[in-house]
Amino acid sequence: DAGVIQSPRHEVTEMGQEVTLRCKPISGHNSLFWYRQTMMRGLELLIYFNNNVPIDDSGMPEDRFSAKMPNASFSTLKIQPSEPRDSAVYFCASTISGQGLRYGYTFGSGTRLTVV
Amino acid sequence: AQSVTQPDIHITVSEGASLELRCNYSYGATPYLFWYVQSPGQGLQLLLKYFSGDTLVQGIKGFEAEFKRSQSSFNLRKPSVHWSDAAEYFCAVGAGSGGYNKLIFGAGTRLAVHP
Repeated sequence: DAGVIQSPRHEVTEMGQEVTLRCKPISGHNSLFWYRQTMMRGLELLIYFNNNVPIDDSGMPEDRFSAKMPNASFSTLKIQPSEPRDSAVYFCASTISGQGLRYGYTFGSGTRLTVV
Repeated sequence: AQSVTQPDIHITVSEGASLELRCNYSYGATPYLFWYVQSPGQGLQLLLKYFSGDTLVQGIKGFEAEFKRSQSSFNLRKPSVHWSDAAEYFCAVGAGSGGYNKLIFGAGTRLAVHP
């Protein structure tokens, strides 16, 4: 299994531009999570999908952030417009619904976003 | 509300020395507990987990952790540290029910290993 695949690995963009981060979960996993990691705030859960449906987006910082999961094998996290304070590492993780607490999540390698 | 506290932000040990990383949690029910490791520029890798049974759990890379309900702790240990263990370590508690669950992470402990 190729694991959770995120792209791009690194993204540098100018303030005000739209940024799209991508994630392919492990085949067969039906729960997907987006996390953001910063020095100041650590790992924050942004949004959680179950069977392609957003279940909890209470962690999304503001309306500039949006996430979609059009099918079981693909999800995007979009920031529009981007701001320097959005600079962080964004992780995607997946698991099997109902088993996440028993087996934990599998994380991707992350996307390091820098907004200048 | 559920929370995880890792009291030590940075720890430095000598190669070959023993290691203990502390983790305290706050959760009303029986917790599901995890330790993850993150090497520089990498994602998080699961080291070990606890959800029931024996309170001493073994993980990968020679790590173990002990669940102590009375102390609300889940400390990670390794008897002899290798230079390759230098990384950041995260403790997490699993929360939720009815198929909806999420992991809440501590702030992490960065481990440095001196030769």
